[in-house]
Amino acid sequence: EAQVTQNPRYLITVTGKKLTVTCSQNMNHEYMSWYRQDPGLGLRQIYYSMNVEVTDKGDVPEGYKVSRKEKRNFPLILESPSPNQTSLYFCASSLSATRWEQYFGPGTRLTVT
Amino acid sequence: SQQGEEDPQALSIQEGENATMNCSYKTSINNLQWYRQNSGRGLVHLILIRSNEREKHSGRLRVTLDTSKKSSSLLITASRAADTASYFCATASMEYGNKLVFGAGTILRVKS
Repeated sequence: EAQVTQNPRYLITVTGKKLTVTCSQNMNHEYMSWYRQDPGLGLRQIYYSMNVEVTDKGDVPEGYKVSRKEKRNFPLILESPSPNQTSLYFCASSLSATRWEQYFGPGTRLTVT
Repeated sequence: SQQGEEDPQALSIQEGENATMNCSYKTSINNLQWYRQNSGRGLVHLILIRSNEREKHSGRLRVTLDTSKKSSSLLITASRAADTASYFCATASMEYGNKLVFGAGTILRVKS
């Protein structure tokens, strides 16, 4: 089954404790992206990757890091999480950045206290 | 304001009725996409309509695109309780480079 998986699905952590949210897709997609979704602010792009070893900032990259060492994986790293990073996070993948539909993961609900 | 804005923000209808949601945008686009999100879950792609297309259908969904007015509409016919969700339009535009720009969404509630 074609899918994007994220782990963990739920995470409660404390300020400053480094964490990684994993994202994996099995569709051989070149494009992958991370979004955060906050009430009233909609879906905002954090980082995206056009292909292996190619990443770029989205609209709200501050406080986040990503890497794309393999085509299928695109982890999101919060080196020193802060409460304003409490949000619902989605990973997505696609054949290309905008010409085709994006497939979304189930989401990771992160709470930073 | 955002590139894509949905209207209305919320819509409540009875099962069996039709639901229409609108999306307006500011720049010229390559394509416009509609997604559905059930509460707290990942977005699911519904329809992609390219700038040279005017109308597309998928089951009970009908999407129109009017590039002269920079607007699109999503019509769900004979709605069901299971259609209760948030609906987002997303635009792909040269002006915004390698990303889709999502609107804030329309919350649809279908009462049974």
